[in-house]
Amino acid sequence: QKEVEQDPGPLSVPEGAIVSLNCTYSNSAFQYFMWYRQYSRKGPELLMYTYSSGNKEDGRFTAQVDKSSKYISLFIRDSQPSDSATYLCAMNDPRGAQKLVFGQGTRLTINP
Amino acid sequence: DVKVTQSSRYLVKRTGEKVFLECVQDMDHENMFWYRQDPGLGLRLIYFSYDVKMKEKGDIPEGYSVSREKKERFSLILESASTNQTSMYLCACQNLYEQYFGPGTRLTVT
Repeated sequence: QKEVEQDPGPLSVPEGAIVSLNCTYSNSAFQYFMWYRQYSRKGPELLMYTYSSGNKEDGRFTAQVDKSSKYISLFIRDSQPSDSATYLCAMNDPRGAQKLVFGQGTRLTINP
Repeated sequence: DVKVTQSSRYLVKRTGEKVFLECVQDMDHENMFWYRQDPGLGLRLIYFSYDVKMKEKGDIPEGYSVSREKKERFSLILESASTNQTSMYLCACQNLYEQYFGPGTRLTVT
């Protein structure tokens, strides 16, 4: 079983829809949770960063962490064609080496 | 903004060649990483470094080596390139737990 599971998609939604992207994980020691966005032929860019459980909002993006269920989500409101990209979740165990464990990435397309 | 640059965006090499991929960061971060990214396999960690002249193996170090002679520069070396090393190579530097990536090098080995 992988430490981090993420549905690779592809996911295709109409412009303006609310998008929900999710990851599950197995290591209860994970404390830091990140979402990266990767456009085609580019490197991943850090989108949002949360520590422990709770919600964090940044414009149209909301990151949610539920540690009791070992489940994290990224919501995109009023989705735009420019949001079309691959979204990767990542998390870190602060007790261990400072490495990140990445999900496989979900490929998202927003249709105009 | 953190800037991470990689020496080439696209590279084509022949089987058996020695290949150098260079990465430079401008933020004085201690930690640097090399990943490869393949369809269906996601990001896989090759090597990482916590400081100058220090290196640690990641999950798939076989066929690769690294060099970190200066804090801002982390090089990935393919001693004898093989076709199964055709991939997208991504370098990252890290501040606390946030990693910042370069644009990637798409390497094709023929």
